[in-house]
Formats: sequence, C-alpha cells, structure tokens
Amino acid sequence: AQTVTQSQPEMSVQEAETVTLSCTYDTSESDYYLFWYKQPPSRQMILVIRQEAYKQQNATENRFSVNFQKAAKSFSLKISDSQLGDAAMYFCAYKKGAQKLVFGQGTRLTINP
Amino acid sequence: NAGVTQTPKFQVLKTGQSMTLQCAQDMNHEYMSWYRQDPGMGLRLIHYSVGAGITDQGEVPNGYNVSRSTTEDFPLRLLSAAPSQTSVYFCASSYFSGGTPEQYFGPGTRLTVT
Repeated sequence: AQTVTQSQPEMSVQEAETVTLSCTYDTSESDYYLFWYKQPPSRQMILVIRQEAYKQQNATENRFSVNFQKAAKSFSLKISDSQLGDAAMYFCAYKKGAQKLVFGQGTRLTINP
Repeated sequence: NAGVTQTPKFQVLKTGQSMTLQCAQDMNHEYMSWYRQDPGMGLRLIHYSVGAGITDQGEVPNGYNVSRSTTEDFPLRLLSAAPSQTSVYFCASSYFSGGTPEQYFGPGTRLTVT
C-alpha cells in the first residue's frame, strides 16, 4: 500500500524568508500524482500545487514550487517570500489514477513577523 | 458554481444518536469521498463512490453508512454515534477518469459526540 510521510510536524520561518517542507512517499507505480494541500485555521482544504510523475519539470505556482525527486520518492514544497497568510497546516498527498488520495500527517507552518 | 457544500458546519450528538451529514457537489464529478480528520492523524478515508449506485469502504468505515443515488449527493450516516467518532469530517469530489485529478473539498463538519 502507498504511504506518505511528512517528517516535520512543525516548522517556522521569518516573514519574507524561504521555507521548505519535506515529503516522502512509497509506491511501486511509475505514473501517479502528488499534491500539496494547505489547511488554514478556517479548516478549508486548499490545493496549493500538483505534480504529475511523468513530468520531469518541477511544478511552480507563484511563490510555491516543488522539488520532485522521483527516484528518491521525495516531493518537497518550497515557499518563497513567506507571508503571514501562509501560516497553516500543509498536507502532502499521493494519488494513482482514479484511486483514493493518500495523505501525510501534515506539517504545521508558523510565520514569524 | 458552489463547488462542494456540506451541512451542518457543527453538530453535537449524544452517544447512541444517529444523524446524516450532507454533501453535494455541482461540478458533475463522478468520484466522491468522505474523510475524517483527527489531531495528528491527517485525513483518513471513510467511504467513497465512483458513481451513482456504486460505493465502497475506505480505511475507517466502521460505524458509518453511505449511499449515492445521484451524481450530486453523497450523504454520510452515523448509525449510533460514539465518542470515538468525535472528529472533523470532510467531503471531497473529483473526476474519476479524465479531467484534472485533484480532489475538491467541502468546508468540513465538526462533530462532537458526548
């Protein structure tokens, strides 16, 4: 069974600086999707970024980018120019085709002003 | 386009009571699912459906029932509430085949069982 591991329960960063959240996963598949979701205090789950495993190019969305290392089964999220509104729980997730989404346990990110 | 909606937002039940959490989506997604979120445990899949009339169990199905009579609606029924079911419940939907793969989430229901 696929598993997703986020080894950092909590992270903090100074406003305007860069932070990287780690995620590793276990799968024997070659074609799949990886996601980062953000959950602010409002509880709403918000998609931050998506990566298709068959694409070698790392996905980017404005200040958010990923470092996808397929052989190492690593999928880290980099947040540049951190803002107070980035404070949230961040979940890494894996999905194979039409199968269920598997989540990591989350990383709580604090932004220090 | 309302996306995924859930009702109620908050609910308090006594042990043994039953209730239904409502979920609806207006994106014509085939795939719908229910998760529970407990502190330190991420989101765990309760039940899911790949289309009207088709449901299946996820990781933690005990104590819950689902049905899918229409594409839009996917209610979750608690048969006899227990304190262990105190949690935040999320409904999500996505395309089953084709389209973008990400799941869209509802705003969640915070359930407390006393």
